[in-house]
Formats: sequence, C-alpha cells, structure tokens
Amino acid sequence: DIQMTQSPSSLSASVGDRVTITCRASQDVNSYLNWYQQKPGKPPKLLIFGASSLQSGVPSRFRGSGSGTDFTLTVTSLQPEDFATYYCQQSYSTPRTFGQGTKVEIK
Amino acid sequence: QVQLQESGPGLVKPSETLSLTCTVSDGSIRNYYWSWIRQPPGKGLEWIGYMFYTGSTFHNPSLRSRVTMSVDTSKNQISLKLSSVTAADTAVYYCASYNSDSYGFDSWGQGALVTVSS
Repeated sequence: DIQMTQSPSSLSASVGDRVTITCRASQDVNSYLNWYQQKPGKPPKLLIFGASSLQSGVPSRFRGSGSGTDFTLTVTSLQPEDFATYYCQQSYSTPRTFGQGTKVEIK
Repeated sequence: QVQLQESGPGLVKPSETLSLTCTVSDGSIRNYYWSWIRQPPGKGLEWIGYMFYTGSTFHNPSLRSRVTMSVDTSKNQISLKLSSVTAADTAVYYCASYNSDSYGFDSWGQGALVTVSS
C-alpha cells in the first residue's frame, strides 16, 4: 500500500493568512493526487484533482502543486469558511489511500 | 452531480453482518465507479472498495475477505455488506462516486453512522 503522510497534523491561522499543507507519498504517484476538505459532521468535498486541477465550483484561492512523491495544498488567503480538516488521497494504485488529515483552526 | 443517500441499521452486534444501501439520484448508476469509504469517529478516511455497474469490483486487501459489494441497476442502488464485524468497524460509512476522468471521489453521501455493539 502507498502511505500518505501529511504535515502538519494541525495548524492555527488567521483570516487572510496564506496556509500551506504538505503531503508526501511513500512511492511515486505521478500526479494522481487529490485534496479534500471536510467540515465537522459533513462528508469530504473534492477540492483539487490531478495534483493541481481545481474542481468545478471551488474558489481559486485553493491551489495544488507537486508531482511524484511531494505535494502541497495552498490557500492563498484564508477565509472563515476554510477552517476545516484537509486530506490528501492518491489514485495511482489500489488500495486508494488517504493522508491522516490536517486540521486548520482559527488562531 | 449525482445525489447519494446511505441507509441501513445504525447498530450491529459483534460477529454479525453490516448491511448498507446507497441510493443514487440525478444521474445514471452506469456512469461512474461507486465507492464505499469509512471514517471511525474522530479519525481519518479508509477506502473500502469500489465497483462498476457491470459487477467489476476492487476491494481494500485489509477488508477483502469480509466485504461484498453489489449494484442494482433497476433501483439505482449500490450495497455494501461487511461480515464478522467488531467494534473496530464502528464508523461513518460513506458512498461516493469515483470519477474515472479526474480520478477523484467527486460526489458523496451524507454518511451513515454504524455502531458495532452488543
């Protein structure tokens, strides 16, 4: 199985801050890397697919980059509705695997 | 986007079989791979498996021997059965559509909490 490791596990930030979350795969996943946002009591929501493509309807302040084993999700200017937990997920091979999550909290 | 709704018992006894159904609306069940993903309370996401309407299935090896997935095209429903459950199977179970173009899970149900307890 491909292990996905996110860092940090949590962070505190203020509205307007630039936030970066890192995801590392235990082996090359090419660009088959997705990012999800999950709010309490809700299902995850697909934000980014293919490492850098924005899912329809997702604000442009969310940006994904990387390929191979190292990826980042950047929120260029954090908004109140962005406080949530973020997960990366690889679709390079089965079983599909997720990172452990990064919780973004209000400072 | 399709709409998904999970249904099934919220409480299952240890050693019994967990059974869930996902009803698909606003879209054809023939257009996607259909996946089950679970999330234990306060923890991360675990992919259980996915299947195509033809019956082709892929399961997580960690659960493979206990998982059965099926599709009913006449009812636009997919189902999950997980046998020999233990407390470790307590989780919110989500059905989700897997888009073979984006390789992402792009529509999700609201989730069904299943508790394994006697």
